[in-house]
Amino acid sequence: SQQGEEDPQALSIQEGENATMNCSYKTSINNLQWYRQNSGRGLVHLILIRSNEREKHSGRLRVTLDTSKKSSSLLITASRAADTASYFCAPETSGSRLTFGEGTQLTVNP
Amino acid sequence: GAVVSQHPSWVICKSGTSVKIECRSLDFQATTMFWYRQFPKQSLMLMATSNEGSKATYEQGVEKDKFLINHASLTLSTLTVTSAHPEDSSFYICSARDLRTSGYNEQFFGPGTRLTVL
Repeated sequence: SQQGEEDPQALSIQEGENATMNCSYKTSINNLQWYRQNSGRGLVHLILIRSNEREKHSGRLRVTLDTSKKSSSLLITASRAADTASYFCAPETSGSRLTFGEGTQLTVNP
Repeated sequence: GAVVSQHPSWVICKSGTSVKIECRSLDFQATTMFWYRQFPKQSLMLMATSNEGSKATYEQGVEKDKFLINHASLTLSTLTVTSAHPEDSSFYICSARDLRTSGYNEQFFGPGTRLTVL
C-alpha cells in the first residue's frame, strides 16, 4: 500500500528551535498532505503540496517535495510548546485515498 | 477550513451491543467520507470509503458486516459497529471531502470517537 513513512519517530527540541520531519513514500502521487494530531484528538490539516510543486510555505511551516526521491520534509520554524503533537504525512494516490505512516512525535520543551 | 463533527466523542458499551457513530460535515457538502481507526500510538488505518448514495468500499481485512457504513446524505455518514467486542475498542475518526469543488482535495477530519467495549 502507498504509505507515508515519517522520520524520525520522535523528536525533542527546545522552544525557539526549528524542527524538521521527513517523509518517504513508495509510488507516484497526486499530492502529499501533512497533518498534526494532538493526543487523543482528531487530525488537523496543515498543508498540501501538489506533485508539481517543490516547496510551499504557510506561516511557520515550510514543506518541500522531491518526487524524484519520493520524499517530503516539514520544517517548523521558531517552535513553540504548543507545537507539541504527532505529525503525519499522507501521500495521496488515485482514488483520493490517503495512507498514513506512524508519525513523528514532536515534543517542544519550554 | 471546513468543519467536520463526530458524535459521540466517546462511548462505553458492553460486549455484544452495537454502537453507531455519526460524522457530519457542518459547512460543506461531502461527496466522500472516509472512516479510520487508530490504536494507541499507532497510525490511522483506513477502514472504508463511502460515497453519498452508494455502497461503501471497504479496505482489505475490514469486515463489512461488522462495520456498517451508511452515507445517506451529503452531510452525514454513520458507522455502526455491530456486536462490539473488546478488540473493537479504538479511536474512530472520520474525514470528509467534496470532490466536486475542491481543487486542493483536502480532507477535513472529525475530532474522533473513543470507543471502549467492556
